[in-house]
Amino acid sequence: DAKTTQPNSMESNEEEPVHLPCNHSTISGTDYIHWYRQLPSQGPEYVIHGLTSNVNNRMASLAIAEDRKSSTLILHRATLRDAAVYYCILRDVKSGTYKYIFGTGTRLKVLA
Amino acid sequence: DTEVTQTPKHLVMGMTNKKSLKCEKHMGHRAMYWYKQKAKKPPELMFVYSYEKLSINESVRSRFSPECPNSSLLNLHLHALQPEDSALYLCASSTRTRTVQETQYFGPGTRLLVL
Repeated sequence: DAKTTQPNSMESNEEEPVHLPCNHSTISGTDYIHWYRQLPSQGPEYVIHGLTSNVNNRMASLAIAEDRKSSTLILHRATLRDAAVYYCILRDVKSGTYKYIFGTGTRLKVLA
Repeated sequence: DTEVTQTPKHLVMGMTNKKSLKCEKHMGHRAMYWYKQKAKKPPELMFVYSYEKLSINESVRSRFSPECPNSSLLNLHLHALQPEDSALYLCASSTRTRTVQETQYFGPGTRLLVL
């Protein structure tokens, strides 16, 4: 069962910032929040992950709410190549092995 | 190098055929995963291998049979599939499976059509 909820789709204009929200109200204290994206006809690719503090890397920023029940992936300047499905992911444990539980994903459309 | 390669890219098979999907990963990664992804849906985990041993089977039907012959290869053997098994099959790898913040690296997938 999905542990995260995301809007089905969002639109953004090129060169503008995009804020992609994710709710994870049942998150545990040790759960990391992972974000992946899937470009058309490709496998998912890693974007960013975090635990409590806000995180930045060359692709994006991750803002995590103080209560950790929600997070926001921030693309600072959307380009046409950022059009993809963005997945917010928590992990679950089965038989001592961690596994990803993908959310339903947000399809981001970038307008030229 | 974290690249994961999958072959074939596309596969069409009949319900009586036997075929195999292949995945090759970076040798330093000791965990491998098979996912199934239906159109416009998120990937769903099928199997997890840790150090070449099956550690998770998500109640997948026996017509899907995984195999990990060595530390860099992962196969998914297919037999007597149904049309509803048509999907994108994704392979992924990570360094380990028992740490909270592991990053998984995905291959491009094999798009399977069962007629």
